[in-house]
Amino acid sequence: AQSVTQLDSQVPVFEEAPVELRCNYSSSVSVYLFWYVQYPNQGLQLLLKYLSGSTLVKGINGFEAEFNKSQTSFHLRKPSVHISDTAEYFCAVSLQGAQKLVFGQGTRLTINP
Amino acid sequence: KAGVTQTPRYLIKTRGQQVTLSCSPISGHRSVSWYQQTPGQGLQFLFEYFSETQRNKGNFPGRFSGRQFSNSRSEMNVSTLELGDSALYLCASSLVGPGGNEQFFGPGTRLTVL
Repeated sequence: AQSVTQLDSQVPVFEEAPVELRCNYSSSVSVYLFWYVQYPNQGLQLLLKYLSGSTLVKGINGFEAEFNKSQTSFHLRKPSVHISDTAEYFCAVSLQGAQKLVFGQGTRLTINP
Repeated sequence: KAGVTQTPRYLIKTRGQQVTLSCSPISGHRSVSWYQQTPGQGLQFLFEYFSETQRNKGNFPGRFSGRQFSNSRSEMNVSTLELGDSALYLCASSLVGPGGNEQFFGPGTRLTVL
């Protein structure tokens, strides 16, 4: 079975500061990796995904993530955050060929002016 | 192109009742998945439908069921509601492919069980 651990439940940062949201996964087989964002009272929106190839993945809104197979990690980064990035962020995995997503518990990102 | 729509957006029921939630996927998407989101358990997969067939199922009791119609619209039903069923129920649709396809989520139906 697959599992996902998001190491921080809450991350407060100042506006224009860099941020890293950490994600570790566990799986005995190859998986696809995703980061989703959820704004208040909305569904989830895909930020980026890793399927194969380059381990550095660029997504929307200036976010990027790096896949590290040896450390089974997929950390999300942004060099300079904005107030509008305040949201909950979810890391997820799926088996290759399957639609089922297994999510981490989420990280609430709060941006302070 | 219209996004995933879910109806109703909010629902209040009492224990013991049953409820049906509806999801209309993005046009052309044939896979529909359902997730339950609660503060305690987070986001959990309920089931996935493709071409009117349940293709995958999560670890939920039999009170939770679903179906998909020929136009890919999907419904999920919860019978004999319990207080713990209070949650945000999210529907997601995606194109058929080798996997890794983006799942597009609807805004969810917030169910409150009193």
